[in-house]
Amino acid sequence: DAGVIQSPRHEVTEMGQEVTLRCKPISGHDYLFWYRQTMMRGLELLIYFNNNVPIDDSGMPEDRFSAKMPNASFSTLKIQPSEPRDSAVYFCASSLVGGQNEKLFFGSGTQLSVL
Amino acid sequence: DAKTTQPNSMESNEEEPVHLPCNHSTISGTDYIHWYRQLPSQGPEYVIHGLTSNVNNRMASLAIAEDRKSSTLILHRATLRDAAVYYCILLSSARQLTFGSGTQLTVLP
Repeated sequence: DAGVIQSPRHEVTEMGQEVTLRCKPISGHDYLFWYRQTMMRGLELLIYFNNNVPIDDSGMPEDRFSAKMPNASFSTLKIQPSEPRDSAVYFCASSLVGGQNEKLFFGSGTQLSVL
Repeated sequence: DAKTTQPNSMESNEEEPVHLPCNHSTISGTDYIHWYRQLPSQGPEYVIHGLTSNVNNRMASLAIAEDRKSSTLILHRATLRDAAVYYCILLSSARQLTFGSGTQLTVLP
């Protein structure tokens, strides 16, 4: 398996523009997680899905952020409008059944820069 | 989730064992202890996890104190490729990994 695939690897945009980050989880995994990493706040969980349904979005910073999972093999994280403080590395991760006794597989991340 | 405490940084010499400590005095009986590491410019990578007993895998060993209030990740022979930030995380039934600040491991040649 190719692992969790994220695109794009890097994204540079201007303030006010819409940004869409994409994630393909490992086939057969039922759980998908979106994390954000900054120097100031470290790795933060934004939202996670179980069987394509959002379970907990309490980490989503504000209404400008939205996430969808239209099917088991694809998820998007959208920021509209983007702001410079959204600059961070965004990671997607997936796991088989989301249990305590299993591991998460992370993608390589998307480095977002909002100018 | 219960919190963990790790040293900010540690150094090791190449090909020597490394013991990375983690304190988790408020751990509950059902919390699993997970370790992940993050190499530069990469996503976090699973290392090992356990509940009560010591665990071994091809990457590392996890030693868990009898009272479970602390644990130690053991890299048996550190290589330059092991230089990374190591995160100790308690996973509760909430099924959410909450990352702390981790330990930056530097491996000296």
